[in-house]
Amino acid sequence: DAGITQSPRHKVTETGTPVTLRCHQTENHRYMYWYRQDPGHGLRLIHYSYGVKDTDKGEVSDGYSVSRSKTEDFLLTLESATSSQTSVYFCAISESTLYTFGSGTRLTVV
Amino acid sequence: GDSVTQMEGPVTLSEEAFLTINCTYTATGYPSLFWYVQYPGEGLQLLLKATKADDKGSNKGFEATYRKETTSFHLEKGSVQVSDSAVYFCARANSGGYQKVTFGTGTKLQVIP
Repeated sequence: DAGITQSPRHKVTETGTPVTLRCHQTENHRYMYWYRQDPGHGLRLIHYSYGVKDTDKGEVSDGYSVSRSKTEDFLLTLESATSSQTSVYFCAISESTLYTFGSGTRLTVV
Repeated sequence: GDSVTQMEGPVTLSEEAFLTINCTYTATGYPSLFWYVQYPGEGLQLLLKATKADDKGSNKGFEATYRKETTSFHLEKGSVQVSDSAVYFCARANSGGYQKVTFGTGTKLQVIP
């Protein structure tokens, strides 16, 4: 396998609650990314990281925060989940332009 | 800014039909080009890539040629199978520095027996 795992795979949460998604890699890649995938929008970049404690915003970062305290872990937090954040979330890693994706987390906010 | 435009889907083909999925990209700099495939319930996987003009990427019977003059990178396969049913994403990346990858919106392919 590619050495990237996402957890949980599925989650249902209530509006207004905080949610944290985890991405873990064993490849020691420098770059890590969080995307969301929605019908009609393809993949949209939420946040990315270019090293430990080095992160930056993507195109749809409002309502999301990230942290990277170790090379192998990249956490995505929804501070107060909303129904518009119902989506499938993908983590990806890279050292160059070749991305490896996780299997995704399906998040439903009710 | 950098962008990738793919043909709208879904595309429905009969088994053994010829496949073309169109993709065009913005010509800023000297991008590398990619096709990724997403099977149901899975993440994206790299299908093929091309790093410079006139390069042809190929894998599993799929091909795409980097056409600088038309800024295109169309995906083709001579004879599709039911197992090729998936969503296909075209993508581009700038060379040098932070190599951000921009994805198209994806094209769903359904192959029927």
